[in-house]
Amino acid sequence: KNEVEQSPQNLTAQEGEFITINCSYSVGISALHWLQQHPGGGIVSLFMLSSGKKKHGRLIATINIQEKHSSLHITASHPRDSAVYICAVRSHRDDKIIFGKGTRLHILP
Amino acid sequence: DAGVIQSPRHEVTEMGQEVTLRCKPISGHDYLFWYRQTMMRGLELLIYFNNNVPIDDSGMPEDRFSAKMPNASFSTLKIQPSEPRDSAVYFCATQQGPYNEQFFGPGTRLTVL
Repeated sequence: KNEVEQSPQNLTAQEGEFITINCSYSVGISALHWLQQHPGGGIVSLFMLSSGKKKHGRLIATINIQEKHSSLHITASHPRDSAVYICAVRSHRDDKIIFGKGTRLHILP
Repeated sequence: DAGVIQSPRHEVTEMGQEVTLRCKPISGHDYLFWYRQTMMRGLELLIYFNNNVPIDDSGMPEDRFSAKMPNASFSTLKIQPSEPRDSAVYFCATQQGPYNEQFFGPGTRLTVL
């Protein structure tokens, strides 16, 4: 079992829909990172979380440390949100960074 | 700031050749990470530095890979000798402090024939 699991693996939705991408992990962590990788390959850091919730524009990230779970939400989704969203955690025990396999999101106009 | 700069952007080489990838971090960032991304394995951390000192190189695949950070403004990742299975996109990312967001470079797409 992977230490970082993302769901769904693939998601296709209509423009305007509310999107939720989930990340569950099995290790104790010091931080969790959400990344966005566009079709061109560039990677952008969206959020770094250690507790609670962060919001940036239409993006919201939450984390529940007790449940070892984080969600990334996109409100009023747009075709330009189409990308791969990657969850990564920093292990508290050995400081290692562990990546999920990513969620491929496709927003249809 | 120009962001994280990587060079070259694309590299095609033949098996057995030495390959050197370069990264210039954002000024003031004290952490530098080298990642590799392949279709099969996704993103993997190879090595990271803090204040130019390698902290964790457990992700470096084997002795053919080496990374250096001679000063705060430059890092290299070297593969010698290169093999076809090294073909991947190699990303450099930097951050200020251990718990701030990372900024990624555009990546170097390496193809080893």
